[in-house]
Amino acid sequence: DGGITQSPKYLFRKEGQNVTLSCEQNLNHDAMYWYRQDPGQGLRLIYYSQIVNDFQKGDIAEGYSVSREKKESFPLTVTSAQKNPTAFYLCASTGALGGGYTFGSGTRLTVV
Amino acid sequence: AQSVAQPEDQVNVAEGNPLTVKCTYSVSGNPYLFWYVQYPNRGLQFLLKYITGDNLVKGSYGFEAEFNKSQTSFHLKKPSALVSDSALYFCAVRDMNTGFQKLVFGTGTRLLVSP
Repeated sequence: DGGITQSPKYLFRKEGQNVTLSCEQNLNHDAMYWYRQDPGQGLRLIYYSQIVNDFQKGDIAEGYSVSREKKESFPLTVTSAQKNPTAFYLCASTGALGGGYTFGSGTRLTVV
Repeated sequence: AQSVAQPEDQVNVAEGNPLTVKCTYSVSGNPYLFWYVQYPNRGLQFLLKYITGDNLVKGSYGFEAEFNKSQTSFHLKKPSALVSDSALYFCAVRDMNTGFQKLVFGTGTRLLVSP
């Protein structure tokens, strides 16, 4: 079945460490997105990519980095510069103009 | 800048009663509007969307939404609520005139359906 796979589902990180969250899609979608979800704040856009080898900062990009070397993959690195990284991270993709997003099942990151 | 507002943090309804989850939007140009549902520790699932055409949009699981341009609203409705409808609901908007497929989400409304 086509969809988006995020891994791992749960991730624990020590302060000062970088961690990378995986996002893979087999939907042949061009655009991919990373959102952060915190209670009561909805979803906030971290980074997005509309085509391979191109990506743009979203609303809260500080402390994060991404790459888009393949159409199927859009990994997110949470760096030690991110002041408050504990959150639920969601990856999404979209294809045709006017279509909605397809979301992965999310990664819950906890800093210990 | 485009935005959506969900004025209610939580909506409580008894099973079998109709439910409404409110959403208003602000966008320059023609809006594309979406509703998503999220169950605990899961990603968001698409419910329905409005692009053009009939103001009443029917979606998954018996949900529907009414687009009202004059009131800039896109309220989610269901004639008869189920306990299994209890979840977090998000409204989202995309301004198709920008050419960028970014969705802007509301803060979410928690729906609690009691037996």
